[in-house]
Amino acid sequence: AQTVTQSQPEMSVQEAETVTLSCTYDTSESDYYLFWYKQPPSRQMILVIRQEAYKQQNATENRFSVNFQKAAKSFSLKISDSQLGDAAMYFCAYLTYDEGGSEKLVFGKGTKLTVNP
Amino acid sequence: NAGVTQTPKFRILKIGQSMTLQCAQDMNHNYMYWYRQDPGMGLKLIYYSVGAGITDKGEVPNGYNVSRSTTEDFPLRLELAAPSQTSVYFCASSYSRWARGTQYFGPGTRLLVL
Repeated sequence: AQTVTQSQPEMSVQEAETVTLSCTYDTSESDYYLFWYKQPPSRQMILVIRQEAYKQQNATENRFSVNFQKAAKSFSLKISDSQLGDAAMYFCAYLTYDEGGSEKLVFGKGTKLTVNP
Repeated sequence: NAGVTQTPKFRILKIGQSMTLQCAQDMNHNYMYWYRQDPGMGLKLIYYSVGAGITDKGEVPNGYNVSRSTTEDFPLRLELAAPSQTSVYFCASSYSRWARGTQYFGPGTRLLVL
């Protein structure tokens, strides 16, 4: 079974600086998808960025980028120019499929990010 | 376009009581999901549906039931509530099986079983 590990329960960063959140995963598949979700205090889950495993180029979305190391099964999220609104729980997730082809997301335990003014 | 809506936002249940968590989406998505999130943990899939009339179990289905009579609605039923079901429940939807994980989440329902 696939597993997702986030080894940093909490992280903090100064406003305007850069922070990197770590994620590792375990899979025997060659084609899959990885995601970072943000969960602010409102608790709603918001998709931040996604990476397709067959693409070597790291995904970027404005101030958010990933460092995808397929061989190492590592998928870290870099947040540049951190803003107060970035404070949230961040979840790394792996996409898998059941026998019927329905997609299911496997989540890590999350990293709580604090942004200090 | 309201997206995914959930009601209620918060509920306290006594042990043994039953309740239904409501979920609705107005994006005409075929796929809908129910997750639970325990404190300090990631989400775990309870049940999912690939279309009206079709549902299947996820990772942690025991103690729950679902139905999907319409594309829009996907209620989650708790029978005989137990303290172990204290959690935050999220409903989500996606437009197809090939949505590549772009699931749209509702705001969550916090449930406390005492």
